[in-house]
Amino acid sequence: KQEVTQIPAALSVPEGENLVLNCSFTDSAIYNLQWFRQDPGKGLTSLLLIQSSQREQTSGRLNASLDKSSGRSTLYIAASQPGDSATYLCAFFSGGYNKLIFGAGTRLAVHP
Amino acid sequence: NAGVTQTPKFQVLKTGQSMTLQCAQDMNHEYMSWYRQDPGMGLRLIHYSVGAGITDQGEVPNGYNVSRSTTEDFPLRLLSAAPSQTSVYFCASSSSGGASGEQYFGPGTRLTVT
Repeated sequence: KQEVTQIPAALSVPEGENLVLNCSFTDSAIYNLQWFRQDPGKGLTSLLLIQSSQREQTSGRLNASLDKSSGRSTLYIAASQPGDSATYLCAFFSGGYNKLIFGAGTRLAVHP
Repeated sequence: NAGVTQTPKFQVLKTGQSMTLQCAQDMNHEYMSWYRQDPGMGLRLIHYSVGAGITDQGEVPNGYNVSRSTTEDFPLRLLSAAPSQTSVYFCASSSSGGASGEQYFGPGTRLTVT
């Protein structure tokens, strides 16, 4: 059974800190890995998509890496801001099951 | 582009009633899917479609039907609502048959079954 684990489950930090969110998965035959942001009561917003042939992707203050051999991905958030407060979900697309498999998320709170 | 749209945003049903959750996308994506999100359970796949006329079951399909007559629309039908179907429902779409494409999610439908 494929599983995705996200650590930590919750994180509270002061504004300005650099953060690392971790995602580990058990299926090495992934097609891609995607990081999402979800605000309370809202839908999922795609942040970054890393194809299985890539090692990292960057968008503004966000950088995501992928290491298929160790089954890990990290989301790095530079210079965090209160507006970054949300739940961050990682998910990989399993070709064998033709679906996204989600982690439970990391709930991030950035306080001024 | 409107992206992925879902209607209604909120719905309350009585046990046994039926209804259809609408999902549409204007990105000409072949792959569309329905997920439900429940506290402590994460997001779980209900049904998906890899193109018009082609649908398949996900991990929690019981009590739900889908059809895909056009590329744009992928409605989810609740046949006879049960309290266990109280959840937030998300529709998603992707290019490239889903396998390598970025997944785009709609804003969700919050369903309560009493």
